[in-house]
Amino acid sequence: QVQLVESGGGVVQPGRSLRLSCAASGFTFSSYVFHWVRQAPGKGLEWVAVISYDGENQFYADSVKGRFTISRDSFKKTLYLQMNRLKVEDTAVYYCARDALGWQLLVRSWLDSWGQGTLVTVSS
Amino acid sequence: QSVLTQPPSASGTPGQWVTISCSGSNSNIGSNPVNWYQQLPGTAPKLLIYSNDQRPSGVPDRFSGSKSGTSASLAISGLQSEAEADYYCAAWDDSLNAYVFGTGTKVTVL
Repeated sequence: QVQLVESGGGVVQPGRSLRLSCAASGFTFSSYVFHWVRQAPGKGLEWVAVISYDGENQFYADSVKGRFTISRDSFKKTLYLQMNRLKVEDTAVYYCARDALGWQLLVRSWLDSWGQGTLVTVSS
Repeated sequence: QSVLTQPPSASGTPGQWVTISCSGSNSNIGSNPVNWYQQLPGTAPKLLIYSNDQRPSGVPDRFSGSKSGTSASLAISGLQSEAEADYYCAAWDDSLNAYVFGTGTKVTVL
């Protein structure tokens, strides 16, 4: 069955960096586009970033552009989110999610599988 | 930062019909399909409705979606306690080049 497992969350000081991972199993990793979505404590969902099949193309939310980098390793079947210059407002549970239709149909697509999330707390 | 607007809450008694609205603009709902996600307390979101009105396998037909112009709606008929959750609409925004979520609606079964 489809499984996405995030890891790498923790407590970090403002201005520092953290890298999240999302290990995929149960399907052909290289055939799918992936997203990161976050949820601040007690708040709603906020989309963070998306990456194409080969990792060559990405889109980012304005709130993280220039600070976060989404990447992937098809050999390891793992999605990453490198988070630099972290801010207090980046505190959230971070979910990875699989895109149903792929890059060419991104505007018409949906997120069909989600991980359980990993908590990132940015605090001094 | 949400560009899709939902009512913060909705409620009904068991068996009743509840609807949740999602208001957007020409660059998102007006141009692209709408999806709905259900988030039960303490769990990750789950796909509920895709492409405006399609249900994934396993989602009861009590849940239905629709779209008209720059707005969309989620309807829950025969409300049951298991439907108590947060519901989010979402769509791709062509102007932002971003996937945008609604503000979220908490459904309570009275």
